[in-house]
Amino acid sequence: GNSVTQMEGPVTLSEEAFLTINCTYTATGYPSLFWYVQYPGEGLQLLLKATKADDKGSNKGFEATYRKETTSFHLEKGSVQVSDSAVYFCALSDQTTGKLIFGQGTTLQVKP
Amino acid sequence: KAGVTQTPRYLIKTRGQQVTLSCSPISGHRSVSWYQQTPGQGLQFLFEYFSETQRNKGNFPGRFSGRQFSNSRSEMNVSTLELGDSALYLCASSLESSGGINEQFFGPGTRLTVL
Repeated sequence: GNSVTQMEGPVTLSEEAFLTINCTYTATGYPSLFWYVQYPGEGLQLLLKATKADDKGSNKGFEATYRKETTSFHLEKGSVQVSDSAVYFCALSDQTTGKLIFGQGTTLQVKP
Repeated sequence: KAGVTQTPRYLIKTRGQQVTLSCSPISGHRSVSWYQQTPGQGLQFLFEYFSETQRNKGNFPGRFSGRQFSNSRSEMNVSTLELGDSALYLCASSLESSGGINEQFFGPGTRLTVL
């Protein structure tokens, strides 16, 4: 079945460091891919998305490219800020049901 | 546009009781999905409603049920609560449910604690 695997956290970085959070997926067909972010005590916010191979989603300095050949959708940011501290979830949209299948989440902590 | 709202935000119940959670989707959104979030299992899909009909269901026991009203508001119910039902329950709405692109917008969640 469909699944998403993320790198385990927590990831601890200093402010202005480069961020990569790895995400790989297993799916039939061509699912849409998403990154969601969850700040403490809040629900999930859509960070970015990509709907087909080689698409690049971007938002607030974050980027991720839909790589079908490696079944990956890694999240990157060139310079993180303390305010980026949160839990990041990679997800795919099941083409048959439309439901979201999430990875386990990666906690990011950015220190000043 | 107002976002997805969920009530109540926090709930404490005891084992054996039942609970009802409410979700109001973004205006115009007809699909409502529910997810359970726990530290151990992560985010798991419960069910999805579209035009008052359950379209999809996850792998949860029958104690978990839901419904959707004509105004797209949705409720989920958990009967005979167990300690393991303690979780953050998230509701998400989208314009429609279909394969492929399915941008879902999440509410803040209801934190359920079962004692």
